[in-house]
Amino acid sequence: DGGITQSPKYLFRKEGQNVTLSCEQNLNHDAMYWYRQDPGQGLRLIYYSQIVNDFQKGDIAEGYSVSREKKESFPLTVTSAQKNPTAFYLCASSIQSGRYYEQYFGPGTRLTVT
Amino acid sequence: DQQVKQNSPSLSVQEGRISILNCDYTNSMFDYFLWYKKYPAEGPTFLISISSIKDKNEDGRFTVFLNKSAKHLSLHIVPSQPGDSAVYFCAASPPDNYGQNFVFGPGTRLSVLP
Repeated sequence: DGGITQSPKYLFRKEGQNVTLSCEQNLNHDAMYWYRQDPGQGLRLIYYSQIVNDFQKGDIAEGYSVSREKKESFPLTVTSAQKNPTAFYLCASSIQSGRYYEQYFGPGTRLTVT
Repeated sequence: DQQVKQNSPSLSVQEGRISILNCDYTNSMFDYFLWYKKYPAEGPTFLISISSIKDKNEDGRFTVFLNKSAKHLSLHIVPSQPGDSAVYFCAASPPDNYGQNFVFGPGTRLSVLP
């Protein structure tokens, strides 16, 4: 059945290493998003992509990079330049429903960097 | 500066009673609002939405009220059930965006006590 897959659920890395988080969707949605959630804060947008081979920075893009080579996939790389990488990362995709878009979220990846 | 605020970090309600979750926003141009529900270690799931042309939208036990003049919306859950215990995020869509990008509040943790 259709949905958004994020793997792995938990990820541990040493400081100074780049790490790539996977996000795959089989919903045939055009737009995909990466959010970060920290305790006591809402979801903050890192990057989004409305079509293949195109993406835009969100509110907190520094230290992150993305690619969108396929409609189904939107991987996020957390680089060593990201000062506080430990967080819960959520991937989402959206589809237009009537006049508005609806976003669907994956289960998330909890990244811990020590 | 947070554009979407949920001033109550947590709320406890007895099973069977009404739960009222509040959300305030600062940008009067927001024209589409949503509520998402999130269980621990899972992605948020869409609950209910309302566009700025309405002041109420109802779906089963869930009703969202919008007061544009006060820049305030609320989610009512009646009757509350233990399975409703989760974090609830309010989100708003900037104008002419139709929900492609949302601004999320910090969330309110609801605990429904049996």
